[in-house]
Amino acid sequence: DSGVTQTPKHLITATGQRVTLRCSPRSGDLSVYWYQQSLDQGLQFLIQYYNGEERAKGNILERFSAQQFPDLHSELNLSSLELGDSALYFCASSGTSGSSYEQYFGPGTRLTVT
Amino acid sequence: EDQVTQSPEALRLQEGESSSLNCSYTVSGLRGLFWYRQDPGKGPEFLFTLYSAGEEKEKERLKATLTKKESFLHITAPKPEDSATYLCAVLPFYSGGSNYKLTFGKGTLLTVNP
Repeated sequence: DSGVTQTPKHLITATGQRVTLRCSPRSGDLSVYWYQQSLDQGLQFLIQYYNGEERAKGNILERFSAQQFPDLHSELNLSSLELGDSALYFCASSGTSGSSYEQYFGPGTRLTVT
Repeated sequence: EDQVTQSPEALRLQEGESSSLNCSYTVSGLRGLFWYRQDPGKGPEFLFTLYSAGEEKEKERLKATLTKKESFLHITAPKPEDSATYLCAVLPFYSGGSNYKLTFGKGTLLTVNP
């Protein structure tokens, strides 16, 4: 158990809808990262937040947005969903043990868009 | 652009048959190289961080090594429970401040038969 929690575990929704994925980092970790994993693309970095501020951005679509709250939990919002958005979404956190570069991943949210 | 290439894509071993997985990388300057293990439908599990050429890290039957252009994950006398996808990721030096964007390879799917 990495200490990172994600909810929900599974999400099934229709095209055009909007969903919110939630992540709680390990206790004390200030950085939260979001990744998308699909069969053909592998693990793709989406965005990083550090103590409430956006720090790095990957190939995140404009339909996607994220934020990190004062209690350090983070939410990833996906809107106008398309079939191609079906994937595993992972949250990771870093900062409090070992090297601050080491990212610890949550169990993921499996999103299915029908 | 940072690139990470892992080979082979898939590897089948008999229990006890040692082998190595390769991770080749292209990055302007390497701050760190990371190995993760991922079981199907689960989040990646952190294994090792390597920082400089010549460095080695060991954990049970796994040993990771680093050169200036590649890293190897050596698996000695593997057991069926070592079956998983092994992912390699790089963190470049130009990531400033607390920007810790990782670039992942697509992974090597290891299957160890009893």
